[in-house]
Amino acid sequence: DSGVTQTPKHLITATGQRVTLRCSPRSGDLSVYWYQQSLDQGLQFLIQYYNGEERAKGNILERFSAQQFPDLHSELNLSSLELGDSALYFCASSLSPGSANSYNEQFFGPGTRLTVL
Amino acid sequence: TQLLEQSPQFLSIQEGENLTVYCNSSSVFSSLQWYRQEPGEGPVLLVTVVTGGEVKKLKRLTFQFGDARKDSSLHITAAQPGDTGLYLCAGGSNYKLTFGKGTLLTVNP
Repeated sequence: DSGVTQTPKHLITATGQRVTLRCSPRSGDLSVYWYQQSLDQGLQFLIQYYNGEERAKGNILERFSAQQFPDLHSELNLSSLELGDSALYFCASSLSPGSANSYNEQFFGPGTRLTVL
Repeated sequence: TQLLEQSPQFLSIQEGENLTVYCNSSSVFSSLQWYRQEPGEGPVLLVTVVTGGEVKKLKRLTFQFGDARKDSSLHITAAQPGDTGLYLCAGGSNYKLTFGKGTLLTVNP
């Protein structure tokens, strides 16, 4: 158990809908990351928040957005869903935000499996 | 765009055999991490290497970071069925991790 929790575990919805995925980081961790994992693309970084502020952006679509709240939990909002958005979505957390020249060890949650029908 | 290529993509071996998986890039990373992921679970961090040429051992697993910090290898000695899983390498730089697509290892009893 990494200490990172994600809800829900599974989510089935229809095209065009909007969903919200929730993540609680490990106790004491200030940084939260969101990743999408699909069979063809592998694990893709979406976005990072540190202590409530957006820190880094990856391959996140404009239809997706995220935020980190004062209690440090984070939510990933996916809207106008398409079939291709079906994937595993992981949240990870770390103590530090990382920097251009240092590493940050990330601890992953169990993921949310999103199926868009 | 930084890319990490992992090879082989799939590996099926018998219990007791040794194996090596590779992670290569044309980019330099400040750190290289190895994760193992089991079906339906999130990746679990195994090790982080940060210095070119660094070697770290974790029981039967040996990790090496290339001298130029562009590549890494994971060697498993006397593989066991419990080693089965998806092994992912991830390069750290510019505030984020870039993941390879992984090596799916199956160790048959």
